[in-house]
This record gives sequence, C-alpha cells and structure tokens, in this order.
Amino acid sequence: DAMVIQNPRYQVTQFGKPVTLSCSQTLNHNVMYWYQQKSSQAPKLLFHYYDKDFNNEADTPDNFQSRRPNTSFCFLDIRSPGLGDAAMYLCATSSIPRGDYNEQFFGPGTRLTVL
Amino acid sequence: DQQVKQNSPSLSVQEGRISILNCDYTNSMFDYFLWYKKYPAEGPTFLISISSIKDKNEDGRFTVFLNKSAKHLSLHIVPSQPGDSAVYFCAASSSNTGKLIFGQGTTLQVKP
Repeated sequence: DAMVIQNPRYQVTQFGKPVTLSCSQTLNHNVMYWYQQKSSQAPKLLFHYYDKDFNNEADTPDNFQSRRPNTSFCFLDIRSPGLGDAAMYLCATSSIPRGDYNEQFFGPGTRLTVL
Repeated sequence: DQQVKQNSPSLSVQEGRISILNCDYTNSMFDYFLWYKKYPAEGPTFLISISSIKDKNEDGRFTVFLNKSAKHLSLHIVPSQPGDSAVYFCAASSSNTGKLIFGQGTTLQVKP
C-alpha cells in the first residue's frame, strides 16, 4: 500500500542534543510538509518542500531545519532541542500543481520527548 | 491569531444519532475546506472537503456545510457509529498558498 512512513515513532533526546526525524513516502507526491502538534493544539506547519523548493514558515524557529535529498525522503533536524520542542511531529505529502490545493496524506507522527 | 477555530473541544452523542461538529474561520481568502479524522497513535486521515463555490458536499454518512457569509462550516455524521469516535480536525486553505491551516480539533465520542 502506498503510504507515508515516519521513523522513529517515539524519540527521546536530551536538552540541547541534536535529533533527526525521518519521513518517507511511496506515493511519489511532489510536496512534503512538516507539522508540529502540541497537546490539544492545532497542527502547525513548520515548512514544506514543493519539489526541491524549500518554503519556511515565517515563525518557524531557526532551530528547525529540513532536508529533502530526493522525492521519497524528507528529514526534520532539530539542532538544539529545548523543553518547548517536545511535541508530535507530523509529516504529510500532497500532489498538487502550484497554486492549487489537494488533500494531504499524513504519516503516523513521531512523538518527541526532551529530557 | 487563530484563523481556524473549533470551539468545542469535545462532543458526545449516542449511536445512531446525528453528530454535528463546527468550525469557524476568519480569513476570507480561504477557498477550500477539509475535515480530517484522527485515531490515537495514527496520523490524520482525510475525510471530506468542500470548495468555496459550494455550500454542501455529501459523501455517504458525512456531509459538510459551508456558510461563507458567516465564515462557518460544519460536519454532519448521520447516523453516528462507535467507530466514528476520534478527533476531528477542520482545515482551510487558500489557492494562492496551497497550505492548510488547522483548527485545534474536536474529540467525538459515540456511545453504543
């Protein structure tokens, strides 16, 4: 089945220790997104890739970086995690022409704990 | 500022009855609206959508209504089933950005 896969499902890191979250997709979608969701809050878009074009949200902290080495994979790097970065991180994909919209397909998420 | 709001954190209904989940938005540039359902330990899954040129879209037991003048949309589930128990997220998009803005979700519990 075509799907969006996130690894690991649960990640524990120490305050200030860099961590990388992984997302892969078999849908061959051109757009990939990273969201942060804190408890009982709306998922918040951090950034997205339209093909290879990186699009950062204005309020995404510099602490968060992303890489998309190819169509299938996208990584979220948190350079120096703080306690406030503990959250569920959701990866999503979509197949949309620029200027159009379509539903997004989500992975199961990675729950990040910062000690 | 929260552009998409779901003011009811939770809703409980009896099996077989109607569930109505509500969502309000503030940005008049939004022209596409979606509902997602999320079970514990899973990512959100797309449920139904509606374009701003329509006021109603129906898919089986699920119907979404859009009231543009009130900047309000609602999701109706009829009849509700225990398997519908989940968190429901409303999301909005504008065609010039292609990005989704989510509400904070409503937890629906359908009691047998």
